Amino acid sequence: DVKVTQSSRYLVKRTGEKVFLECVQDMDHENMFWYRQDPGLGLRLIYFSYDVKMKEKGDIPEGYSVSREKKERFSLILESASTNQTSMYLCASSLPPPGQGGSPLHFGNGTRLTVT
Amino acid sequence: SQKIEQNSEALNIQEGKTATLTCNYTNYSPAYLQWYRQDPGRGPVFLLLIRENEKEKRKERLKVTFDTTLKQSLFHITASQPADSATYLCALAGNAGNMLTFGGGTRLMVKP
Repeated sequence: DVKVTQSSRYLVKRTGEKVFLECVQDMDHENMFWYRQDPGLGLRLIYFSYDVKMKEKGDIPEGYSVSREKKERFSLILESASTNQTSMYLCASSLPPPGQGGSPLHFGNGTRLTVT
Repeated sequence: SQKIEQNSEALNIQEGKTATLTCNYTNYSPAYLQWYRQDPGRGPVFLLLIRENEKEKRKERLKVTFDTTLKQSLFHITASQPADSATYLCALAGNAGNMLTFGGGTRLMVKP
């Protein structure tokens, strides 16, 4: 079974702090994704990566950056946390890009981030 | 604009009945559609995929239909059980290279 592990289940940070959310997958998947999930808004794609050192913006990249130095690890960075970034953050991985083959996403259990 | 709509109100049904959840979309031409289950405090888990040229897909007690004319997918759980209580998300992608976009999900509550 694919395992996607997010380093923290809960995080509380202060406004203006730099925040790192880490995600590791153990199935050698090329593709990794970061979503945020908010009530009434569903899952929204922040960034994704097709390969090491490659990244693409999703629908809501503002205020975020990502890093993919190794295939198994994809980090989400909040450069200067703000209260509107309080959310559930979900990492996922997959085989070929969903649009090209329908491969399902395998999600981690999320990091609930609170910015005060 | 593009939209994926799932009933935001919870669906309450009695154990043993068939649950039917709806996913409607506009301004998409999806190559396929996926359904996921999400339990509280957990990430979504993939359940089923149905492609644009398929009318229906089954997996155990689950059945998904896909009507590209109506721009709608229906997700059925037959002989529902309290353990089926969760939020169910649909997600779809357009042509090759497009990312998955998720609906807001529908919460299902199965009462014993």
